[in-house]
Amino acid sequence: DGGITQSPKYLFRKEGQNVTLSCEQNLNHDAMYWYRQDPGQGLRLIYYSQIVNDFQKGDIAEGYSVSREKKESFPLTVTSAQKNPTAFYLCASRATVNYYGYTFGSGTRLTVV
Amino acid sequence: AQSVAQPEDQVKVAEGNPLTVKCTYSVSGNPYLFWYVQYPNRGLQFLLKYITGDNLVKGSYGFEAEFNKSQTSFHLKKPSALVSDSALYFCAVRPDTGGFKTIFGAGTRLFVKA
Repeated sequence: DGGITQSPKYLFRKEGQNVTLSCEQNLNHDAMYWYRQDPGQGLRLIYYSQIVNDFQKGDIAEGYSVSREKKESFPLTVTSAQKNPTAFYLCASRATVNYYGYTFGSGTRLTVV
Repeated sequence: AQSVAQPEDQVKVAEGNPLTVKCTYSVSGNPYLFWYVQYPNRGLQFLLKYITGDNLVKGSYGFEAEFNKSQTSFHLKKPSALVSDSALYFCAVRPDTGGFKTIFGAGTRLFVKA
């Protein structure tokens, strides 16, 4: 079955550490997205990519970095510059026809310890 | 600025009763409208969308949504709620101008009591 796989499901980060969240899709979607979810704030866009080797900052990109070397993969690195990284991170993809909805992964819960 | 509002943080209904989760938006043009549902510690699942045509759209799990252009609203409805419908619901809007960004509401938590 086609879908999006996020790993790990839970991740713990020490102060000053960089961590990378994995997102892989086998839906042949061109566009991929990273969202951060905090209680009561809905989803906030971190980065998005429309095609391989290209990505754009979203609304809250500071302290995060991404790469898009393959169509299937869109990893997110949470750097030590992100001062409040504890959150639920969601990866999504969609076909580039504009009225298609997203397919979401099951999320990664990141906690700073 | 473009925005999506879900005016109720939570909605409580009894099982078997009809439910409505409200959504209004402020987006120029003729946007595409979506509803998603999220269960605890899971990603969002697509429920339904409005692109054009009939103002009442039907989606998964017996849900439907009514588009009202004059009121810029897209309320989610279900004739008879189930306890298993208890979840977090998000309204989302994407402008039809060819952009790649979708605007999400803050979410409404639905509680269905047996």
